[in-house]
Amino acid sequence: GQNIDQPTEMTATEGAIVQINCTYQTSGFNGLFWYQQHAGEAPTFLSYNVLDGLEEKGRFSSFLSRSKGYSYLLLKELQMKDSASYLCAVRDSNYQLIWGAGTKLIIKP
Amino acid sequence: GAVVSQHPSWVICKSGTSVKIECRSLDFQATTMFWYRQFPKQSLMLMATSNEGSKATYEQGVEKDKFLINHASLTLSTLTVTSAHPEDSSFYICSASWGIAGNTEAFFGQGTRLTVV
Repeated sequence: GQNIDQPTEMTATEGAIVQINCTYQTSGFNGLFWYQQHAGEAPTFLSYNVLDGLEEKGRFSSFLSRSKGYSYLLLKELQMKDSASYLCAVRDSNYQLIWGAGTKLIIKP
Repeated sequence: GAVVSQHPSWVICKSGTSVKIECRSLDFQATTMFWYRQFPKQSLMLMATSNEGSKATYEQGVEKDKFLINHASLTLSTLTVTSAHPEDSSFYICSASWGIAGNTEAFFGQGTRLTVV
């Protein structure tokens, strides 16, 4: 079956750096997405990786290793507003998005 | 980024009534729209995929007669929850994309919080 694993919850300190990991096992691969979702709101797009390597976008970076079925989202200079759930999603060979359960990130002052 | 508008953002209805939720792509043609359901503290659960002009493809376990999906145009899809019951109370989210290839991410609507009393 298809499966995406992320930690359920993580805690970090304001101003610090946090890395959220995502491992996946899917039938085919056509890209990996990271979304941010605040409580009660719809997800918002953060990043997209289809080739191996690091994609940097401001304070957020996303890394992909297709051979390892692994990705991470790196958040730098954490702010209180970064407290949210972070969803990893993989597009499979049928171009369907397979979603992880999300990682709840708690930022402490 | 592209804008997807979902309406209403919240609705309260009586048990046994039907509720229609609209999802519109405002600045692009959405060939494919997805409808999700999300329970508190859980991830998105895909309910169905709809392509413009054709019948929606429902995920296993989703009752197509209860959750009616219409994708009549490239900018509008609707989800109708028929004969709603309290267990249908949930957060419903649509997303839209203009293609299946390349790095076209799915753009999400704001979501609709449905409460059935």
